[in-house]
Amino acid sequence: AQSVTQPDIHITVSEGASLELRCNYSYGATPYLFWYVQSPGQGLQLLLKYFSGDTLVQGIKGFEAEFKRSQSSFNLRKPSVHWSDAAEYFCAVAAPGNFNKFYFGSGTKLNVKP
Amino acid sequence: GAVVSQHPSRVICKSGTSVKIECRSLDFQATTMFWYRQFPKQSLMLMATSNEGSKATYEQGVEKDKFLINHASLTLSTLTVTSAHPEDSSFYICSASFQGSGANVLTFGAGSRLTVL
Repeated sequence: AQSVTQPDIHITVSEGASLELRCNYSYGATPYLFWYVQSPGQGLQLLLKYFSGDTLVQGIKGFEAEFKRSQSSFNLRKPSVHWSDAAEYFCAVAAPGNFNKFYFGSGTKLNVKP
Repeated sequence: GAVVSQHPSRVICKSGTSVKIECRSLDFQATTMFWYRQFPKQSLMLMATSNEGSKATYEQGVEKDKFLINHASLTLSTLTVTSAHPEDSSFYICSASFQGSGANVLTFGAGSRLTVL
């Protein structure tokens, strides 16, 4: 069965520190992979996506993610966190070319210390 | 860029009444839209797939008579929560598939928070 695991429910980092949010997936084949960010009371904003090709993907707001097929992982990283990055982050997968089924992880809430 | 608009962003209603939430694709046509529900501190769960001009496809466990979906045009899908009860209080988010950068991407609305008293 398809599933997405985000093992960290909460993460707190200091402003300016580096960040890595973990995401592992279970899927029959290599899916499309996404990271979304949700601010309190808001919808989801796409940070970045991986469909194929270069396994290191650059996104908006200085985020990047690396797809590692051998580990079934798609971890999100940022070298220097800003206070405005405090939000909830969701990893998601979808079957290639099929958006009828989007599977979301349970989310990781990021707190940023001043 | 592709924008999906939801209205209202917040609604409070009395138990037993019905509430309609609109989802519009502002600058593109969406033959398919998706409705998600998000419980507090949890992830999004797909409720149903809304198809323009045809019946919606509901996920297992979602009551189609409770959550009525209408997709009457290529830019509008509506979710009506009928005879709402406090347990229906939740954050409802719609999304639509947008053809961008050579591939489809899901664009999400800002969500609608429903509180049933």
